[in-house]
Amino acid sequence: DIQMTQSPSTLSASVGDRVTITCRASQSINSWLAWYQQKPGKAPNLLIYKASSLESGVPSRFSGSGSGTEFTLTISSLQPDDFATYYCQQYNTYSYTFGQGTKLEIK
Amino acid sequence: QVQLVESGGGVVQPGGSLRLSCAASGFIFSTYGIHWVRQAPGKGLEWVAFIRYDGSSKYYADSVKGRFTISRDNSKNTLYLQMNSLRAEDTAVYYCAKDQIRNGYNPDAFDIWGQGTMVTVSS
Repeated sequence: DIQMTQSPSTLSASVGDRVTITCRASQSINSWLAWYQQKPGKAPNLLIYKASSLESGVPSRFSGSGSGTEFTLTISSLQPDDFATYYCQQYNTYSYTFGQGTKLEIK
Repeated sequence: QVQLVESGGGVVQPGGSLRLSCAASGFIFSTYGIHWVRQAPGKGLEWVAFIRYDGSSKYYADSVKGRFTISRDNSKNTLYLQMNSLRAEDTAVYYCAKDQIRNGYNPDAFDIWGQGTMVTVSS
């Protein structure tokens, strides 16, 4: 199976900050990568698909980049609603795997 | 609006069985692949199973292969997960989630998720 590794596991930041979360795949997944946001007690919400495509309705402060094995999710200016846990997911094969998650906390 | 609603969770003893359901509305259910994804308490997301829009293909995580069966009834707009030989490590919130693209024959991102149903395996 393809392993997905996110860093950092926890990130402390302030409203207005620019933050970046990294996701690495154990082998090339081309651009078949998605990013999800999850808030406590809620289902995940799709933010980015195909590494850099913004899902409809998602604010433009979210962006994704990368291909092959290295990917990033960037939030250009943190808003109070953005403090949550973020997961990357590969869908290169029918053995989907998620990263372990990055918890974005208020500094 | 587009919606997925899971049901059927509960408490079951180790070795027992449970069937989860996922009722879909607001979209043409028969044209989308659907997944089950689980999340153990305080842990990350784990993909469990997938069924193609027409039921022609099914895929499972190694952790559930041979014990869980995914199925769908397109006439009832409902997805199922039959879980047998349950173990303590199957304890989790189970979500259903739909593929982003209609009539897909390739892996896809998950654009709509249900609210989840809790399964607890304990004696």
